[in-house]
Parts: sequence; structure tokens; C-alpha cells
Amino acid sequence: DIQMTQSPASLSASLEEIVTITCQASQDIGNWLAWYQQKPGKSPQLLIYGATSLADGVPSRFSGSRSGTQYSLKISRLQVEDPGIYYCLQGYSAPYTFGAGTKLELK
Amino acid sequence: EVQLVESGGGLVQPGASLKLSCVASGFTFSDYWMSWVRQTPGKTMEWIGDIKYDGSYTNYAPSLKNRFTISRDNAKSTLYLQMSNVRSEDTATYYCTRGDWFAYWGQGTLVTVSS
Repeated sequence: DIQMTQSPASLSASLEEIVTITCQASQDIGNWLAWYQQKPGKSPQLLIYGATSLADGVPSRFSGSRSGTQYSLKISRLQVEDPGIYYCLQGYSAPYTFGAGTKLELK
Repeated sequence: EVQLVESGGGLVQPGASLKLSCVASGFTFSDYWMSWVRQTPGKTMEWIGDIKYDGSYTNYAPSLKNRFTISRDNAKSTLYLQMSNVRSEDTATYYCTRGDWFAYWGQGTLVTVSS
């Protein structure tokens, strides 16, 4: 199985701050990487697919990037509605695997 | 509007069987692969498996394939997850998702395995 190592596990940041979350894949997955946001009591919401493509309706302050087998989600200016748990997912080969999640809180 | 509505969760005893359902609307169900994903109380996300749009092929997480079975009824726009010989570690919220990058999720149904 492909392992997705996500970091940090938790993060506290201030409004308007830049936030970066990373996922390291255990092998080459190309651009088969997605990012999700989950707010308390809600289902996950797709933010980024294909490593860098913004999903419909997602604010442009969210962006995704790739460097080899390392993938990053960047929130350019943290807003009050952004806290939650963020997950990466590799969709390259089954079994598809998620990162362990990053809990983002407002400072 | 795309909607996925899961049902069938609840409290079940270890060793029992349970069948979850997911009714889809707002899109042509028979055009899409569908998946089941679960989230443990500790928030760990696990892909369970998926099924091809015509039901002819399924993939499973290796650790679950001997106990879980995914099926679908395209005439009813419904996805199913048959769970057998459930264990305490199967306690989780179960989501159905649409296959295109899991762009759509249901609200989830909670399964609690306990005696």
C-alpha cells in the first residue's frame, strides 16, 4: 500500500497568516493527490484535486503544489471559517490511502 | 443538486451483519464509480472499496475484503455496503462518495459495534 505521511498533526495560526500542510507519498503517485477540509460535524469537502487544481467553489486562497513525492496545501491568508481537519488522499492506486490529518485551529 | 444519503447504521453486536445503503440523486448514478469511506472516532479516514459504474468490478482494502461487500442497484440509484462478522474496530462513521476525486460525500451513518 502507498503510505501518505502528513504533517504537522496540528497547527495553530492567526488570521491572515499563511498556512502550509504537507503530505509525503511513499512512492511516485504523479498528480494523483487530493486535499479535503472537514469542519466539525460535517462531511469532508474536496478542496484540491490533481495535486494543483482548485475544486469548484473553493476560495482562491487555497492552493496545491507538488515537488517530487511531496505535496503541499497552502492557505494564503487564513480566514475565520478555515479551521478544521485537513486530509490528503492518494488516488494513484488502490487501496487509496489518506494522510492522518492536520487539525488547524485559530490562535 | 448532487445528494448522497446514507442509512442503516446503528448499534450492533460483535459478530453480527449489517447492510448500509446510500441513495443518490442529482446526477446520473450509473455513470459513476462509487466508493465507501469510513472515519473512526479518532478521525482516521479509511477507504473501504469502490465499485464500477455498471457493478461489474469492485476493489477493496485488503484488510476488509473478506468481510465487506459493495454492490449497487442502478435502477434505484442506490449503493450498498454489506458488513459481516463486525468487530469493535469497525466502529466508525461510514460515508459514500462519488468516484470523481470524491467530490461529493453523504452525511455519513454511524455504526457502533459493542455488546
